[in-house]
Amino acid sequence: DAKTTQPTSMDCAEGRAANLPCNHSTISGNEYVYWYRQIHSQGPQYIIHGLKNNETNEMASLIITEDRKSSTLILPHATLRDTAVYYCIPTGTASKLTFGTGTRLQVTL
Amino acid sequence: EAGVTQSPTHLIKTRGQQATLRCSPISGHTSVYWYQQALGLGLQFLLWYDEGEERNRGNFPPRFSGRQFPNYSSELNVNALELEDSALYLCASSIPGKETQYFGPGTRLLVL
Repeated sequence: DAKTTQPTSMDCAEGRAANLPCNHSTISGNEYVYWYRQIHSQGPQYIIHGLKNNETNEMASLIITEDRKSSTLILPHATLRDTAVYYCIPTGTASKLTFGTGTRLQVTL
Repeated sequence: EAGVTQSPTHLIKTRGQQATLRCSPISGHTSVYWYQQALGLGLQFLLWYDEGEERNRGNFPPRFSGRQFPNYSSELNVNALELEDSALYLCASSIPGKETQYFGPGTRLLVL
């Protein structure tokens, strides 16, 4: 499994964009980059995933660098409900997800 | 569409007892995964079932076991409970061959 590096914590003002970076320099060619979040004591929630192209859905945008060694999750207009721990997870097979420590995002008024 | 459901939501047991946790996947999903999240620790992969077979297992002792039924629901059994088994146990499901896993709300197990 590819190793990831994410900031331990980040703050974002409500209404502003939250940009969460992830370094996954050892990602292999067939691994997707998945993003999940976990709101306190709840089950993780799938956000978005991508292979090499940028992706956007109703929740977020995912920007993957051309060399695929890093990516950024963008929440365009953060709200208080987006306060959570965000996990970046490279995965290539339909088996296990390896969760790291993630980034604790605190959205403030 | 109903999401992944888990029961019970909370479970209290004493050391040495057995615990049984249940999971119903999203309709159409045949793979079920179990994870453990102990207090203050990250999510650790426990087991993966697909089409009734155990496909992969995390670094947990044999007293953690499970099964998947013909309707794709699953049970996680933890025998000879220890205090450190106290954790949130999460179940996830996925469509065959797809990596995206969808999680349930979890079962919080407390071992006294």
